[in-house]
Amino acid sequence: NAGVTQTPKFQVLKTGQSMTLQCAQDMNHEYMSWYRQDPGMGLRLIHYSVGAGITDQGEVPNGYNVSRSTTEDFPLRLLSAAPSQTSVYFCASSMQMGGTDTQYFGPGTRLTVL
Amino acid sequence: GQQVMQIPQYQHVQEGEDFTTYCNSSTTLSNIQWYKQRPGGHPVFLIQLVKSGEVKKQKRLTFQFGEAKKNSSLHITATQTTDVGTYFCAGLDNFNKFYFGSGTKLNVKP
Repeated sequence: NAGVTQTPKFQVLKTGQSMTLQCAQDMNHEYMSWYRQDPGMGLRLIHYSVGAGITDQGEVPNGYNVSRSTTEDFPLRLLSAAPSQTSVYFCASSMQMGGTDTQYFGPGTRLTVL
Repeated sequence: GQQVMQIPQYQHVQEGEDFTTYCNSSTTLSNIQWYKQRPGGHPVFLIQLVKSGEVKKQKRLTFQFGEAKKNSSLHITATQTTDVGTYFCAGLDNFNKFYFGSGTKLNVKP
């Protein structure tokens, strides 16, 4: 099993550009989530999904969209990038709802917005 | 805002010394999880505590969950250079909201 994969590993955007961060898992996990990690802030939940077709907002959802058309994939879309979105983004998956079960994290995407 | 506070933010120890990080919540938690993140890496799950007063051990690591389920600690005995990294606690509150602490960055000098 590849576990949780994320692409790209690094990305530089200009303010106002849009892009999609990809996340895929091959463990047949129902629960998937996106976090951003900023220095000294720990990880903050952006959006999560409890299954295909179901998504919900986390702690910091503004400026991001998600969809879950399949169990395996959970892309994160930045609609109009801003410098405040410079961060490291982690995707995670778990068999059960995040916080009740082991969460497996992807390697992360390091995003810089100029 | 941040629901789970973690201290200290940084800890530098000499190899062989002990290390403890503390996690505190303003509200009762359903459970607490601990993760380790190596420099440049991603968080890796260590353990989950569910019961009030629970204590679990993994080799040199001891995890505790407070009696009131509002605090937790991770203690490492006789640190090694392989323990370097940032340790995060993460708690699930009674509204099924999951919050990570800000982490404790551990540096171990050989």
